[in-house]
Amino acid sequence: KAGVTQTPRYLIKTRGQQVTLSCSPISGHRSVSWYQQTPGQGLQFLFEYFSETQRNKGNFPGRFSGRQFSNSRSEMNVSTLELGDSALYLCASSLVSDTEAFFGQGTRLTVV
Amino acid sequence: AQKVTQAQTEISVVEKEDVTLDCVYETRDTTYYLFWYKQPPSGELVFLIRRNSFDEQNEISGRYSWNFQKSTSSFNFTITASQVVDSAVYFCALNGRGSTLGRLYFGRGTQLTVWP
Repeated sequence: KAGVTQTPRYLIKTRGQQVTLSCSPISGHRSVSWYQQTPGQGLQFLFEYFSETQRNKGNFPGRFSGRQFSNSRSEMNVSTLELGDSALYLCASSLVSDTEAFFGQGTRLTVV
Repeated sequence: AQKVTQAQTEISVVEKEDVTLDCVYETRDTTYYLFWYKQPPSGELVFLIRRNSFDEQNEISGRYSWNFQKSTSSFNFTITASQVVDSAVYFCALNGRGSTLGRLYFGRGTQLTVWP
């Protein structure tokens, strides 16, 4: 059974640009969550989607947004990139919201 | 508020030693879930175990064991006879019910290095 797939794996962007990251969950999983990991702040929750609806949102500015499609695939978008957005972005999927979450390998975003 | 504390930032052991990683949590939820994840250098968080708040039975899985104690709000993880491949960052996480359902609160992680 395929795991969680995140694309791209690595990305370099310039300040002010925008970026879209993609996450394909494990087949049958309907909940998708996104996390940002930085050395300074650790792992921080961005948002969670379930059945195409955002159910939970972390404490991030409105530049961070996401969506989920009918096939449970999810995208997150960051507009007007800042240097501080450089991080590993991890996506997790689970059957429903309170079961174990399985993570992808992440997208490492570098903003220069 | 939900909070997870992993007081040990780094631990170094020599192969075959036993090592215990500490995790203390805070929550006002009566129903919640606790997790341990392992993050190797590749970056992926690997799920190790999930326990719910009503199940305080300790668990052993091969070289891994977990000690859940609600009285002290702790969920500690022990690796017996450690191996070099166990070197990674280990995260403890909490998922509460109610409005925080679906959101994992992570500790800052413990970097475990096992030397040959």
